[in-house]
Amino acid sequence: DQQVKQNSPSLSVQEGRISILNCDYTNSMFDYFLWYKKYPAEGPTFLISISSIKDKNEDGRFTVFLNKSAKHLSLHIVPSQPGDSAVYFCAGQQGGSEKLVFGKGTKLTVNP
Amino acid sequence: KAGVTQTPRYLIKTRGQQVTLSCSPISGHRSVSWYQQTPGQGLQFLFEYFSETQRNKGNFPGRFSGRQFSNSRSEMNVSTLELGDSALYLCASSLGVLEKAFFGQGTRLTVV
Repeated sequence: DQQVKQNSPSLSVQEGRISILNCDYTNSMFDYFLWYKKYPAEGPTFLISISSIKDKNEDGRFTVFLNKSAKHLSLHIVPSQPGDSAVYFCAGQQGGSEKLVFGKGTKLTVNP
Repeated sequence: KAGVTQTPRYLIKTRGQQVTLSCSPISGHRSVSWYQQTPGQGLQFLFEYFSETQRNKGNFPGRFSGRQFSNSRSEMNVSTLELGDSALYLCASSLGVLEKAFFGQGTRLTVV
């Protein structure tokens, strides 16, 4: 039972354009959603999060949108930079637990 | 502040052997979680410890176990290794529930 799904294994965009990474979930009990970025041979790095009571959170070039009725969230990166090339993981978290339920990731490539 | 430190970084073991992996969390962090990353299954939650108590456990066989010491350092053990246990094992630490988790670089385990 995959509670968090990232249906696009890969995404390629041009430098300066917008990158949109999508994530769907099935568990209505998630209180918190997080995005992590991972480079090869490194551990995931926290990027941005959003509480389930909000619909948008912004941090610099990164914005996460949450649509609870559709059980869908997306990460927007504007403008995209070559250094953003990495695998991006979406994760859900329930209150009272440290457990993160991850999607399988989307590999983003930003071309110069 | 030092990040999450995992040792060793790489390990090769033979089927049937057992292995112990170590994780030192960020100073002051009392929560430690372990994840297994494989190409097919993505990042999967193993277990979580807080103040030496296991608070949550993922869907893994009993061959996978862990513990946390009074200084918050944690170890995980896998007994009777199988080829399918080959994976990147990641440790994450946080201050507590719903605080963002910081990951170590992982231990790459290869079972031959």
